[in-house]
Amino acid sequence: QSVLTQPPSASGTPGQRVTISCSGSSSNIGSHAVNWFQQLPGTAPILLMYSDTQRPSGVPDRFSGSKSGSSASLAISGLQSEDEADYYCAVWDDSLNGHVFGTGTKVTVL
Amino acid sequence: EVQVVESGGGLVQPGGSLRLSCAASGFTLSSYAMSWVRQPPGKGLQWVSSISASGVSAYYADSVKGRFTISRDTSKNTLYLQMHSLRVEDTALYYCANNWAYWGQGTLVTVSS
Repeated sequence: QSVLTQPPSASGTPGQRVTISCSGSSSNIGSHAVNWFQQLPGTAPILLMYSDTQRPSGVPDRFSGSKSGSSASLAISGLQSEDEADYYCAVWDDSLNGHVFGTGTKVTVL
Repeated sequence: EVQVVESGGGLVQPGGSLRLSCAASGFTLSSYAMSWVRQPPGKGLQWVSSISASGVSAYYADSVKGRFTISRDTSKNTLYLQMHSLRVEDTALYYCANNWAYWGQGTLVTVSS
């Protein structure tokens, strides 16, 4: 079981805003930058957000990241059908001396 | 163009060994931290191991510590994951990633008798 907890699922209609949470602790999210990954069905993960709030080149600005204390969030504004995917948060953990991934959230576009 | 391509996966019996390779192109291995991440069938992503850009430091998940070894050959610009004492629960698609930004398509490891 991961030390980073995400809701198993989230959903919305096209155009809506969806938010995914990632809950950790002082040894991981509370101390280090969070990355977010998108994994479309049957494909490799893609870096969606790094250093809590930074978008890599090519990632639409309707994706945004935030962090407060030991929790981080990924928001998708103006939800589109192509956003239907699994989303994972990830961060370094001082107690484990290694990286950890969140449990993953499946986003469904209704 | 930055690219990483994994290879070396296959079917192996419990207790067996396997070496995965990750061929890098478009960048120099010694300039970036590299990681191995796995995904068991139908499950989420699991971090396995990372090596620092300098190659001096290596890190492992508790589940593979003492059984897996990450290494690299800068002359071949290739990253490796040597896996020993394989268990059924090691069955997964293994990905190589460059500093989290570039991922390969993965190589499948199946541990079964």
